[in-house]
Amino acid sequence: DTEVTQTPKHLVMGMTNKKSLKCEQHMGHRAMYWYKQKAKKPPELMFVYSYEKLSINESVPSRFSPECPNSSLLNLHLHALQPEDSALYLCASSQTRDRGDEKLFFGSGTQLSVL
Amino acid sequence: GENVEQHPSTLSVQEGDSAVIKCTYSDSASNYFPWYKQELGKGPQLIIDIRSNVGEKKDQRIAVTLNKTAKHFSLHITETQPEDSAVYFCAACSTDSWGKLQFGAGTQVVVTP
Repeated sequence: DTEVTQTPKHLVMGMTNKKSLKCEQHMGHRAMYWYKQKAKKPPELMFVYSYEKLSINESVPSRFSPECPNSSLLNLHLHALQPEDSALYLCASSQTRDRGDEKLFFGSGTQLSVL
Repeated sequence: GENVEQHPSTLSVQEGDSAVIKCTYSDSASNYFPWYKQELGKGPQLIIDIRSNVGEKKDQRIAVTLNKTAKHFSLHITETQPEDSAVYFCAACSTDSWGKLQFGAGTQVVVTP
């Protein structure tokens, strides 16, 4: 199994809603990532978890709250988002991030629309 | 920090022709250079990567070259097929940057039959 599975595929939410994005991998990877991708732009790193601990937060607003319940799961909790937060949210994993050159495996993403 | 420039932004090729995408990077400490292909509605998929101790790497119709002195690397796709149509991203990172890939802006490749 070389897949990173993200749910839901599409999400529409209001600015007062609370929702969560979920990501799962069963490759035994110990590093997991959240990226944000706007249309026609490259992915932008948001958070990195390494061995279930948050190791990188790229100055992301607190309305985005990541969680790594175990080595296979990664969540992104959303609260009080703004319309400009509408984007494709991508989850990725790698075996580790010890060397900085491990291959990243991406999921298909959650297309988020904030109304 | 690292800055990666990618050209061209769009590339239209006839089926069977070759396609070349070029990237330059700024941080001499960068030592890992992956290429990702992103099809519509999907996440980026790694298609080939190269490390700084190698000058060229080939995988079937895809090859990547790296010139460390000039700080540029290129993706070459030969005998293009319609299924090669996608957005291609180059990226760079160093072991010092803890796996934080810096992506280029992307190249939209269209292969016309």
